[in-house]
Amino acid sequence: DGGITQSPKYLFRKEGQNVTLSCEQNLNHDAMYWYRQDPGQGLRLIYYSQIVNDFQKGDIAEGYSVSREKKESFPLTVTSAQKNPTAFYLCASSFDNNYGYTFGSGTRLTVV
Amino acid sequence: GQNIDQPTEMTATEGAIVQINCTYQTSGFNGLFWYQQHAGEAPTFLSYNVLDGLEEKGRFSSFLSRSKGYSYLLLKELQMKDSASYLCAVGTIYNQGGKLIFGQGTELSVKP
Repeated sequence: DGGITQSPKYLFRKEGQNVTLSCEQNLNHDAMYWYRQDPGQGLRLIYYSQIVNDFQKGDIAEGYSVSREKKESFPLTVTSAQKNPTAFYLCASSFDNNYGYTFGSGTRLTVV
Repeated sequence: GQNIDQPTEMTATEGAIVQINCTYQTSGFNGLFWYQQHAGEAPTFLSYNVLDGLEEKGRFSSFLSRSKGYSYLLLKELQMKDSASYLCAVGTIYNQGGKLIFGQGTELSVKP
């Protein structure tokens, strides 16, 4: 079955460390997105990519980086420059804007 | 700018009907989506409206008025499992990245 997979489900990071969150899809979707969700807040866009080897900053890109070397994969790196990285991170993909998103199951990142 | 507003929380009784409103201001409007998100899980697609009017899907219906920048999600015959956050999201035209802009979500509590 096609879908979008995020790993790991839970991730703990020490202050000053970079960590990479994985997102893989086998839906043949062109566009992929990373969102951050904090308690009581909506989804905030970090980065998005419409095609391979191209990506755009979202509303809160500072302290994050991405790559899109393959259509199926869109990993997110949370760098030490991100001041408050503890959050729930959601990856999504879409075939076309009229079909909305398919979401991964999320990664909960905690800084210890 | 782009802005989406929905109530922060609502409470309703099992078996009743509840209406969750969403107002939006955005350029390049290309459809409105409703998602359901249970705590700690990924959002799941509920409905999509691009033309004015009511879309019905089982116990859930969604309405759109583009001239008023207004939508609502109607949930009938409420069940305890309907307790969740409901996210309103607006689609933008493709050349702006095809990304969705999310409201902060409405936390619905269904009481016995």
